[in-house]
Amino acid sequence: DAGVIQSPRHEVTEMGQEVTLRCKPISGHDYLFWYRQTMMRGLELLIYFNNNVPIDDSGMPEDRFSAKMPNASFSTLKIQPSEPRDSAVYFCASRPSNSPLHFGNGTRLTVT
Amino acid sequence: SQQGEEDPQALSIQEGENATMNCSYKTSINNLQWYRQNSGRGLVHLILIRSNEREKHSGRLRVTLDTSKKSSSLLITASRAADTASYFCATALISSGSARQLTFGSGTQLTVLP
Repeated sequence: DAGVIQSPRHEVTEMGQEVTLRCKPISGHDYLFWYRQTMMRGLELLIYFNNNVPIDDSGMPEDRFSAKMPNASFSTLKIQPSEPRDSAVYFCASRPSNSPLHFGNGTRLTVT
Repeated sequence: SQQGEEDPQALSIQEGENATMNCSYKTSINNLQWYRQNSGRGLVHLILIRSNEREKHSGRLRVTLDTSKKSSSLLITASRAADTASYFCATALISSGSARQLTFGSGTQLTVLP
């Protein structure tokens, strides 16, 4: 079991550029979550999917953020255009029903 | 706003001592979970306690839950330098949706000195 795999581990980009974060959940997990972690706000839930379908995106901060899950083994979180205040660590997590979360090691995003 | 709030924000102890962290929350929950985060890594699940349970043990970890006070504590006994990490409580709310979302607290940074 390779765990939840996120890429890239680090991303540095300029304001206005498009950023795409990627996640491969653990096989067999039917829930996938995207979280953002900052010193100021802690860990915030952005969106989660069940069986590839977005269930709750109320945590997505703005229309600049979008997330997709085209199949059970892949999800993306896109920011377009990026802004300096988007700088944070973005985590993907997955779980089967009624089980604890398994987190990836995150993508540290820096927008200059 | 965050559902869970940990106390203290930071804790520094000597190896071999016990560490106690507390978590308070605001609304009714289905269960409460504790996670550990090492620097630069993702969170790792430690233990889950359901709302109808009062205490749970796992190795050197002991978790208590007081639903009347809306609080939980995590005790790590005989701490080791490798226990140095941030510890988060997370509450699973009883929601009307088909899945229970987790809401994380702000965390306690534990430093265990060798």
